Amino acid sequence: GDSVTQMEGPVTLSEEAFLTINCTYTATGYPSLFWYVQYPGEGLQLLLKATKADDKGSNKGFEATYRKETTSFHLEKGSVQVSDSAVYFCALTYAHQGGKLIFGQGTELSVKP
Amino acid sequence: DTAVSQTPKYLVTQMGNDKSIKCEQNLGHDTMYWYKQDSKKFLKIMFSYNNKELIINETVPNRFSPKSPDKAHLNLHINSLELGDSAVYFCASSQEFRDEQYFGPGTRLTVT
Repeated sequence: GDSVTQMEGPVTLSEEAFLTINCTYTATGYPSLFWYVQYPGEGLQLLLKATKADDKGSNKGFEATYRKETTSFHLEKGSVQVSDSAVYFCALTYAHQGGKLIFGQGTELSVKP
Repeated sequence: DTAVSQTPKYLVTQMGNDKSIKCEQNLGHDTMYWYKQDSKKFLKIMFSYNNKELIINETVPNRFSPKSPDKAHLNLHINSLELGDSAVYFCASSQEFRDEQYFGPGTRLTVT
């Protein structure tokens, strides 16, 4: 079945460090891919998305490129801030599956000043 | 204005009780969802509704009964609560199935 795998956390970085959170997926078709972020005590917010191969999603300095050949959607940011500390979820969905989001296990990021 | 709202935010109850969680969205979306987040933060879909019609029931025990009185509301009723039901429940909505979903703030259910 379809699945999403993320790198294990927690990830601890110093402010202004470069961030990469790996995400790979297994899919039978051509899903849409998403990164969601969950700040402590809050619900999930969409960070960025890509709907087809080679699309690049970007928002708030974060970027991810839909790579069909490597079935990956890695999240990157050039310079993290303390306020980026949160749990990041990679997810996929298909139109024909009733909108079901299949999530990775989440990666906790902690940024120290 | 809050796009997707849930009530209550916290719910503490005893085993065997029946409880409900309410969800409302003011985004004009056609599709609404319930997700469960366990203690390890893993998220799994429970139900989805499109225009008040049940689309997904992801092998959830029949103690859980969603109800959609209209497109803007999707409530979750849970009968005979068990310890394993303790989790954070998130409501979400989207315009189309493939679109991004907007999540509510979550309801933390604790069963003692």
